[in-house]
Formats: sequence, structure tokens, C-alpha cells
Amino acid sequence: DGGITQSPKYLFRKEGQNVTLSCEQNLNHDAMYWYRQDPGQGLRLIYYSQIVNDFQKGDIAEGYSVSREKKESFPLTVTSAQKNPTAFYLCASKGQAPADYEQYFGPGTRLTVT
Amino acid sequence: SQQGEEDPQALSIQEGENATMNCSYKTSINNLQWYRQNSGRGLVHLILIRSNEREKHSGRLRVTLDTSKKSSSLLITASRAADTASYFCATDILTGGGNKLTFGTGTQLKVEL
Repeated sequence: DGGITQSPKYLFRKEGQNVTLSCEQNLNHDAMYWYRQDPGQGLRLIYYSQIVNDFQKGDIAEGYSVSREKKESFPLTVTSAQKNPTAFYLCASKGQAPADYEQYFGPGTRLTVT
Repeated sequence: SQQGEEDPQALSIQEGENATMNCSYKTSINNLQWYRQNSGRGLVHLILIRSNEREKHSGRLRVTLDTSKKSSSLLITASRAADTASYFCATDILTGGGNKLTFGTGTQLKVEL
């Protein structure tokens, strides 16, 4: 099956701990994205990567970090500096051909920090 | 800030009726896309309309785009209970770091039997 996987589906952490969310894709896509969704809200872009070993800050990057060492993987670390980390986190990927506009989304990870 | 604002925030209709959702945005775009999200799940791409297009159809979906008003609408005809979901518009903007999608706040659609 081709697609994007995110794990785990639910994650619970204590305040002050860093936590890493996994995102893997086997679609051979170059571009990958991380979004945050709060209840009743749209998606806000955290970080994105157009190619391996390169990534850009999105609109709400503070308190988050990413790496892109492999084409298939784009893990997101939620650091203790993120003031309100409890949210639904979505990863997406996209091809780089001129006709590739659609983003493909994973099932999401719901992070709860107490 | 959000590029897209959607209206209405929530919509409840009977099965068989049509559902119309509107999206407004602020800056020039390459294209505008509509996505669907079932509760607690990832988003699924529905349809894309390019900035030089005015209307597009896909099955029971009809999308319009008015670049002079910076607005778009999504019409779902003959709705079904399975259409119950949140619908988001997303504007595709080319930046120095590549293409970015900026999502609206979404319309929650409930289709009742």
C-alpha cells in the first residue's frame, strides 16, 4: 500500500518533556509538511521540506524542530519551549512534478500534554 | 493569520439537498484547493481550480473561483449522509521556499437522513 503513516495515533506527555512525532511516506514524494490543528480550526503550517537535508519554517515554527535526513521520513519534535503543545498534528507530502499540486495527508497524531 | 476564511462555520441539511460553502482569501494565488476531513482523520483532496479558471466540476462537486473578489465556492449536489465532514479551502501560493498551502477555518457539514 502506498501512503503516509504517522505514529502513534495518540500520545501523552508530561509538561517539560520533548516528544518526537513520526511521519513516513512511500509515495516517493520530495516535499513533506507538518501542520497543527486545534479544535474547530483550520490547519497551520509548522515546517516544510522541499528536498532531503533542507527545510523551511512555516507560520508557527517556534517551539518545534524537524529533520529531513531521508526522503521517506520527516520527524517533528515538539520541544518543551512550545507553550501550548496539545493539538492534532498532521503530516503531508506532495510530488514535485509541475502537475503535482495535491497534498496527501497522514491519519494524524493527537498529542496531549499535561 | 489564516489566508482563507470560510462561511458558514457550520451547515446542517437534509439528505438530497445541496450544500454550498464559501471561501474568501487575501492574496494572489496559483490555485485553490478544497479538502475534506472526517472527524479525527487526515484530510483528503477533493478538487483543484487554477487561478485562470472560473468553474470546475467533479462528480457531485462544483467549484467556482472569482479572483476579482478573491472568493471561491464549493457546491455539493444531492448530498448524502456520508458527505458529513469538515470541508476546507486551501490557497496555493508560491514562495521563495516553494509552494505552500494556507488553509481556511473550515465548514462543518452535517447531512441528516
